[in-house]
Amino acid sequence: SYELTQPPSVSVSPGQTARIPCFGLRLGDKYASWYQQKPGQSPVLVVCQDNKRPSGIPERFSGSNSGNTATLTISGTQALDEADYYCQAWDSGSTVFGGGTKLTVV
Amino acid sequence: EVRLVESGGGLVQPGGNLRLSCEASGFTLSTYWMSWVRQAPGKGLEWVANIKQDGGEKHYVDSLKGRFTISRDNARNSLFLQLSSLRPEDTAIYYCAREDNRGFSDPSSYFFDHWGQGALVTVSS
Repeated sequence: SYELTQPPSVSVSPGQTARIPCFGLRLGDKYASWYQQKPGQSPVLVVCQDNKRPSGIPERFSGSNSGNTATLTISGTQALDEADYYCQAWDSGSTVFGGGTKLTVV
Repeated sequence: EVRLVESGGGLVQPGGNLRLSCEASGFTLSTYWMSWVRQAPGKGLEWVANIKQDGGEKHYVDSLKGRFTISRDNARNSLFLQLSSLRPEDTAIYYCAREDNRGFSDPSSYFFDHWGQGALVTVSS
């Protein structure tokens, strides 16, 4: 079955750029989406179809996808961006989530 | 405003059954694929199943096939998940989620644009 791999944690200083990778075989041939989840809350879509930002999502969130890696980039990271982030893709009629990355803003 | 509200969660003994419901409002349910996604305590997201707009096509994660059944009643604006032969490892928050693809034809273009608040299912004796 298809797998998506994310680093368990990423740290970033306030105001800096955070990059969260998601690895999958030929992931660039599929569409990748990203979700933010804060403790005790439901996931929220922050990037869809590789690089599209839903309405209401700040411009500092962006995405890219090429080769075997999709990347969520948060520019000018703020303390309120501290959360778990999950990548997601479809393969053979099933959707797969990455294991999640905890973003710490310190 | 799009709203998805799950209900039906609770404590159930191993081997027991449970039926989750998801009531949709703020959009026309019959025009969207819908999914169930679960999250075990302290763990990541796991897709469970999805169902086509008219209920005529369903897909399940391989590990759960045969124990869980997804269904929908568009007239009642509701999505369901029947959980059978429950095991302790099925303990999780179960979310219903709306799928969208912005009109793209590529099957891999779908994403989950709205999520419910989740229903907690605890399987324990």
